[in-house]
Amino acid sequence: AQSVAQPEDQVNVAEGNPLTVKCTYSVSGNPYLFWYVQYPNRGLQFLLKYITGDNLVKGSYGFEAEFNKSQTSFHLKKPSALVSDSALYFCAVREGGWLTGGGNKLTFGTGTQLKVEL
Amino acid sequence: DAGVTQSPTHLIKTRGQQVTLRCSPKSGHDTVSWYQQALGQGPQFIFQYYEEEERQRGNFPDRFSGHQFPNYSSELNVNALLLGDSALYLCASSLGGAGPQPTSHFGDGTRLSIL
Repeated sequence: AQSVAQPEDQVNVAEGNPLTVKCTYSVSGNPYLFWYVQYPNRGLQFLLKYITGDNLVKGSYGFEAEFNKSQTSFHLKKPSALVSDSALYFCAVREGGWLTGGGNKLTFGTGTQLKVEL
Repeated sequence: DAGVTQSPTHLIKTRGQQVTLRCSPKSGHDTVSWYQQALGQGPQFIFQYYEEEERQRGNFPDRFSGHQFPNYSSELNVNALLLGDSALYLCASSLGGAGPQPTSHFGDGTRLSIL
């Protein structure tokens, strides 16, 4: 079974400071890892993914994430936070590999509320 | 480029009723998944449709059923509604067929409230 843990319910950071939102995962085999963001009364918006290759993945809006296989982690980072980054962030995992139709089930963490203050 | 669209945006039902939610996938996508997001929780996988067949199912009772049409759009049906079915229902689409199929794109969801 695959699972994701987001240990922090909320992260507070001052605008202009770097931010980190933590995620650890468990999956059989190689993982596909994702970060999504959710604004109030909206669906999930894709930020970035790790499939294979470089452990540092760059995504939308200046976000990046670092895959660490030994620590089974995929932390989301941004060098300089903006007030507009305030939202709910979800980490998700899927077992990697080649599919032949269906099977693209994502398992999500419980989410981390990011609050960026002036 | 049309993204994932869901209808209706909000719905209020009473216990015991039945409801149908609809989803049109992102242009070029042929696989549709449904997720339930209860308040304060992460999305939970309900099931996935590809080639008009249910291919994978999460831990949800048979009261939850679905359908995929030849144009790849999909419906989620929930019978005998319970108070605990109140949630945001999210539809996600992806490109199916043989391949890594990495990225799912989500709609804005249908907010279902059970009275």
